[in-house]
Amino acid sequence: GAVVSQHPSRVICKSGTSVKIECRSLDFQATTMFWYRQFPKQSLMLMATSNEGSKATYEQGVEKDKFLINHASLTLSTLTVTSAHPEDSSFYICSARSWDRGGGETQYFGPGTRLLVL
Amino acid sequence: GEDVEQSLFLSVREGDSSVINCTYTDSSSTYLYWYKQEPGAGLQLLTYIFSNMDMKQDQRLTVLLNKKDKHLSLRIADTQTGDSAIYFCAETSGYSTLTFGKGTMLLVSP
Repeated sequence: GAVVSQHPSRVICKSGTSVKIECRSLDFQATTMFWYRQFPKQSLMLMATSNEGSKATYEQGVEKDKFLINHASLTLSTLTVTSAHPEDSSFYICSARSWDRGGGETQYFGPGTRLLVL
Repeated sequence: GEDVEQSLFLSVREGDSSVINCTYTDSSSTYLYWYKQEPGAGLQLLTYIFSNMDMKQDQRLTVLLNKKDKHLSLRIADTQTGDSAIYFCAETSGYSTLTFGKGTMLLVSP
């Protein structure tokens, strides 16, 4: 199956700093990528849809100025958590949409980034 | 909004079959997925099924879809301890975002 990587896998930062997380599709091009947030023992919460070459679409309640998304190429989307605070500590997972030969769509997920804000 | 429901926990013995169930409300669901998440890791796509199918088999995995009842199940044959994880059911109506269930924790005991 298709491979999606994330970097870094884990980051600890001080409150007030900004953190950038990269999501790459390694063996396919993805015009659409998604950013999710997962709290302990809970399901994934979609934060935003990232479209190559255009502005991201944010879900209700997600601050676009807080979570900056840039999808500059067909294989890379970045999420920047600006002025991070302890409540931003979470597991952030990206996914990339791929289309198979039969026309079906599938989202392949990255391994996630664990963010801890002190 | 659309909703996907799963039972939260399933415990089986090694070698037995596991059946994880999922119900959804979106009648326009086109694709339905099963993902596996191990502790501290991202989601691994296990299998998916188109809404015009009622069954799909892939090695130890069998997916059954009852579109009338909006019920999806994942059967894992000969369950192993390495199958212990959280399993997420998800659906999409195509060109749209995924809606996930809350996940079923599968615990396989030796």
